[in-house]
Amino acid sequence: QITLKESGPRLVKPTQTLTLTCTFSGFSLTTSGVGVGWIRQPPGKALEWLALIYWDDDKGYRPSLKSRLTITKDTSKNQVVLTMTNMDPVDTGTYYCAHRIVVAGIALDAFDTWGQGTMVTVSS
Amino acid sequence: DIVMTQSPATLSVSPGERATLSCRASQSVSSNLAWYQQKPGQAPSLLIYGASTRATGIPARFSGSGSGTEFTLTISSLQSEDFAVYYCQQYNNWPPVAFGQGTNLEIK
Repeated sequence: QITLKESGPRLVKPTQTLTLTCTFSGFSLTTSGVGVGWIRQPPGKALEWLALIYWDDDKGYRPSLKSRLTITKDTSKNQVVLTMTNMDPVDTGTYYCAHRIVVAGIALDAFDTWGQGTMVTVSS
Repeated sequence: DIVMTQSPATLSVSPGERATLSCRASQSVSSNLAWYQQKPGQAPSLLIYGASTRATGIPARFSGSGSGTEFTLTISSLQSEDFAVYYCQQYNNWPPVAFGQGTNLEIK
């Protein structure tokens, strides 16, 4: 059974750096095809994909936020970490990590298992 | 960037009736399209991938169709638990992976 759980601060001040950790179980980020993504959702708004990291350490970022985002993995701890610099109130929302679907050995950039999400508020 | 446009924004349907939700891509995404359901206060859950393949455990009343730029999610006979927000997502050309703005399926 695959599970993911996000952790990090609930409140950050403008200009600070946000660090979120996704701790997962039920899969390994050393297995070919496996990936973990981060997606956020401002209150009452749509989902917005942020970043994705693959088993081979390849990474993808939302172009409009690429300069502010860093995604890394720690396979020994089964964790993926997302950092976002220069936080602004518009970055307020729920942040999810999610597992990339692998079906019959074929990996797709859709997400079959999500964490519960963690709400982050940016305010002074 | 590919833009995903969902319609309508809100759909009011009575329980037991059929619901049809649309998703349009600004350029072809082949069949690399997923649908998610999100209930209030919960994370999204995957319904459909590959435009038409139901994810594990998804009831047969959910079906997806389409390819290229036009996609449809159909719920054949709405149950009370189906009233939620639905998102489409393309994963053909990225970054960025793109979600639509959502369709709120509400009880009529």
